[in-house]
Formats: sequence, C-alpha cells, structure tokens
Amino acid sequence: RKEVEQDPGPFNVPEGATVAFNCTYSNSASQSFFWYRQDCRKEPKLLMSVYSSGNEDGRFTAQLNRASQYISLLIRDSKLSDSATYLCVGQIYNFNKFYFGSGTKLNVKP
Amino acid sequence: EAQVTQNPRYLITVTGKKLTVTCSQNMNHEYMSWYRQDPGLGLRQIYYSMNVEVTDKGDVPEGYKVSRKEKRNFPLILESPSPNQTSLYFCASRDYSSGTNEQFFGPGTRLTVL
Repeated sequence: RKEVEQDPGPFNVPEGATVAFNCTYSNSASQSFFWYRQDCRKEPKLLMSVYSSGNEDGRFTAQLNRASQYISLLIRDSKLSDSATYLCVGQIYNFNKFYFGSGTKLNVKP
Repeated sequence: EAQVTQNPRYLITVTGKKLTVTCSQNMNHEYMSWYRQDPGLGLRQIYYSMNVEVTDKGDVPEGYKVSRKEKRNFPLILESPSPNQTSLYFCASRDYSSGTNEQFFGPGTRLTVL
C-alpha cells in the first residue's frame, strides 16, 4: 500500500466552482503535511503547508484529520490558472523522508 | 536568482553505460534530495542528504549512488543504468536549519534508458 494516496482525477470544473481534494496517508509516524502544485512537465512547487488546526491562504483551505489520517484541500472560486496537478505530501520528520501522492489533476474550464 | 539547476535536462542512453546527473543549488541549503517521478506512482525519494558527507537512502535507492562533497552539489550516479530507470528525475533542496519544510525543486531531468 502506498504511503500517501490520492484520487488521480481528473476533476473537470467550471470557473468559479469550489472543488475539494482528499488525500489519505497510511503511516501514523507522518508528522508534517503539504500540498504542492505541479504544472504539466514542470517541477512541483509548494502551495501550502497543512496544520492540524486547518489553515487558509486566500482561496485555498487545507485541513488535517489525524484521527482519520486524511488531508484535504479546498479551492474556492476556481480560476483557469488553477488547472494543474495537486500533490499531497507527508513527511516523517525524524527521518527527513517525504512521501508524495501520485497527484490529483484539476482542469478548470471557462 | 535563487534556484536549483539540473543537467542534463534530457538524456537518452543505453543499458549499462554509466551516467551522472548533476544538481546544484545556490541557496546555501543543507538538505538536498533526489526523486524520480513515474506515471501513477508519483514522486519517490531516492536519496537525501542532510549536509556535506551525510547521505541517506530514501524509498527507492537501488541502482543509484549519490555523493555530497560540497554543500551546493548533489550528483546522482547511475553506475549501470537499466530500462526500469527510465523516468523523470527531480533534485530538491531545503533550508533545514531554519526549520522550514518547503522544498525547492530543479526543473527535472528526463532520462530514457534503451
């Protein structure tokens, strides 16, 4: 079983829609979590870290549920420029290892 | 400009011919790491380094070697490449001492082993 699992999508949504992605992790030793964005054929870039209390950055909200071992990302008022693949990442801090999900593809259409 | 660079960006080679992919960062980061990305599998960590002369295995180290003789460079070595090492490779660095966890990735190296 993969350490971090995501629905690969694609999620096809119209501009202005709200879309949510979930991600589950299997290793309870994972301590830190992140969402990265990857555009086609490009390198991943950090979108936001995920905190236990939940955190928001503009139109993006991330949540962590340690009891159920899942992470979520909510995108409100989707823009065309949000079209990308979103990677969920878990970190086992003591070992400085990072585990990436295979990504969820989002297509925002006019 | 703060960046991570990788060379070459594209490489086609044959089975068994030793190759090195270079990675360099100009941000004075202690932590560097190599990943491979394959369809449906996501990014998988190959090796990482906490500082000069300190390297550790990631999840998929078999068939790869690394070295960290200087802080800025972290080359990935394939002594005897095989077709199953055909993949997209990313190098990343992180400012470990500041406690941040953001990784900065290079542009990627697309390797094909025939």
